[in-house]
Amino acid sequence: DGGITQSPKYLFRKEGQNVTLSCEQNLNHDAMYWYRQDPGQGLRLIYYSQIVNDFQKGDIAEGYSVSREKKESFPLTVTSAQKNPTAFYLCASSTRDRGQMASYEQYFGPGTRLTVT
Amino acid sequence: GESVGLHLPTLSVQEGDNSIINCAYSNSASDYFIWYKQESGKGPQFIIDIRSNMDKRQGQRVTVLLNKTVKHLSLQIAATQPGDSAVYFCAEKGSTGRRALTFGSGTRLQVQP
Repeated sequence: DGGITQSPKYLFRKEGQNVTLSCEQNLNHDAMYWYRQDPGQGLRLIYYSQIVNDFQKGDIAEGYSVSREKKESFPLTVTSAQKNPTAFYLCASSTRDRGQMASYEQYFGPGTRLTVT
Repeated sequence: GESVGLHLPTLSVQEGDNSIINCAYSNSASDYFIWYKQESGKGPQFIIDIRSNMDKRQGQRVTVLLNKTVKHLSLQIAATQPGDSAVYFCAEKGSTGRRALTFGSGTRLQVQP
């Protein structure tokens, strides 16, 4: 089955600890994304990567870091500098099609719910 | 309907009725729009997309309408079923710059049996 996996589904951490969320895809997609979702709200972009070894900050990158050493993997680290880390984190991937018929559909993983106390 | 930044609105419909979910977007340069469905505790699932050179696109039981004059997008679901109950998000992509989508805040659809 092709798709995106995120692990774990639930994650609990103490305040002040860094934590890394896993995201793996076997869709052969070049682009990958991390979003944060708070209760009753939409998705906000944290970081995205259009190709291996390259990534850009999204709208709320402060307190987060990423790496893209392999095409299949785009782990997100929530650092102790992130003021309100408790949230639902979603990873997505897409192709890098260009042109008029390009698809910008993003395929999402099942999410990781992070609780920091 | 929905607008970015507002508290999540809720649309309640009877099973079998048609549903219309609205979305106002802000970027007049956006050239691609997409609707996602998100069930509780899960990742969003693609429903339908539309490019800015179109004003209507139909899928299975769903239709998306785009009105660029007033920057409005709507999702119509025909013969709504209990399984359609979820939060629906519209998202847009600007014509230049980053490839990533910008999401609205969503509308919760509740289908009453």
